Amino acid sequence: DAGVIQSPRHEVTEMGQEVTLRCKPISGHNSLFWYRQTMMRGLELLIYFNNNVPIDDSGMPEDRFSAKMPNASFSTLKIQPSEPRDSAVYFCATGTRSQETQYFGPGTRLLVL
Amino acid sequence: QQPVQSPQAVILREGEDAVINCSSSKALYSVHWYRQKHGEAPVFLMILLKGGEQKGHEKISASFNEKKQQSSLYLTASQLSYSGTYFCGTERGGGSEKLVFGKGTKLTVNP
Repeated sequence: DAGVIQSPRHEVTEMGQEVTLRCKPISGHNSLFWYRQTMMRGLELLIYFNNNVPIDDSGMPEDRFSAKMPNASFSTLKIQPSEPRDSAVYFCATGTRSQETQYFGPGTRLLVL
Repeated sequence: QQPVQSPQAVILREGEDAVINCSSSKALYSVHWYRQKHGEAPVFLMILLKGGEQKGHEKISASFNEKKQQSSLYLTASQLSYSGTYFCGTERGGGSEKLVFGKGTKLTVNP
């Protein structure tokens, strides 16, 4: 299996620009999680989906952040407009209830100037 | 709600042992342990479930005290490859798959 696929791996953008991060889950995994990791705050859950439906978005920092999962093989996390404080590594992780854990993708390193 | 990990950092010589602790103020359904190397994604090590079931890494052991809401990860006869930051993620259950991660314990194993 290819594992969780994220793109882009690195993104440098200017403040105010729209940023879209993409995730392809492991085939057969019906839960998908978006995390943000920074030195200050550690690994934070932003939102998670089960069977393509958002279950818990309490970690989404503000309205500038949105996430979608239009089908079982694709999810996006969008930041519009981006700000320097959004600079972080964004991870997508997927799993199934039967496996009872989450497998992380390689992450997207975002730098907002 | 974030679990507390201790110690924050530990330095070992190859072959030495270490224990990493994870403590929660809330009742837990499960505890998940991950290791993250610099610049890489967290990698699953093991899960400990309420009731005593464990699944995971062959060479790493852990315990889960449900009453105290604590888990410990035991790294014995450490190898250089064990270096990295270890995170515990706690799950409260009740139908939610949400994990809340601790701030991590940085382990350095030197030759």
